[in-house]
Amino acid sequence: SAVISQKPSRDICQRGTSLTIQCQVDSQVTMMFWYRQQPGQSLTLIATANQGSEATYESGFVIDKFPISRPNLTFSTLTVSNMSPEDSSIYLCSLTGVRGAELGTQYFGPGTRLTVL
Amino acid sequence: AQSVAQPEDQVNVAEGNPLTVKCTYSVSGNPYLFWYVQYPNRGLQFLLKYITGDNLVKGSYGFEAEFNKSQTSFHLKKPSALVSDSALYFCAVRGNYNFNKFYFGSGTKLNVKP
Repeated sequence: SAVISQKPSRDICQRGTSLTIQCQVDSQVTMMFWYRQQPGQSLTLIATANQGSEATYESGFVIDKFPISRPNLTFSTLTVSNMSPEDSSIYLCSLTGVRGAELGTQYFGPGTRLTVL
Repeated sequence: AQSVAQPEDQVNVAEGNPLTVKCTYSVSGNPYLFWYVQYPNRGLQFLLKYITGDNLVKGSYGFEAEFNKSQTSFHLKKPSALVSDSALYFCAVRGNYNFNKFYFGSGTKLNVKP
């Protein structure tokens, strides 16, 4: 399966600032997604990152707060804007459509642990 | 609507004993079910999935899961637990209308003691 990397692996940020998280895959993939995992909680889908077009956001998530880019089939970014302590979470990218991998299965990056003070 | 439930926040088992991590599902239509494991400070790793076919699915690291339609369950099992199996386990179901949307359970922390 594909090798998925995320940058940064962790960060501590001040309230009101923004952080951009990068997700890089070593092969072309069909679909990429961004999830949030709040402390002690399960995963919640933020949005589907569409290549060459605007992301598709889930209920409760908006583009102004979580702008997403996907300029090509191997890379995506998620920005957490105007951060507050409630944004402290692990942010994970995932993907499907990797050649040779399990059909219909999502594979996850290592995650970015964000702490907002 | 699709959902999965993991009734146990934590499971404790001694090394060498069999382990079971429980998951029940609620779906309209045929379920596509998954198990993932999350080690500390790591992302989720895919363990196994059920789409159709044999009710007993074998996956990575010696794990298996049994699909039971009458009980709407998909419990994760391993015949002999290892200390290194200690981690957070998530059950997930794929959306029937949006195939890209996965619904995750709340997670079960597995503690394997030497």
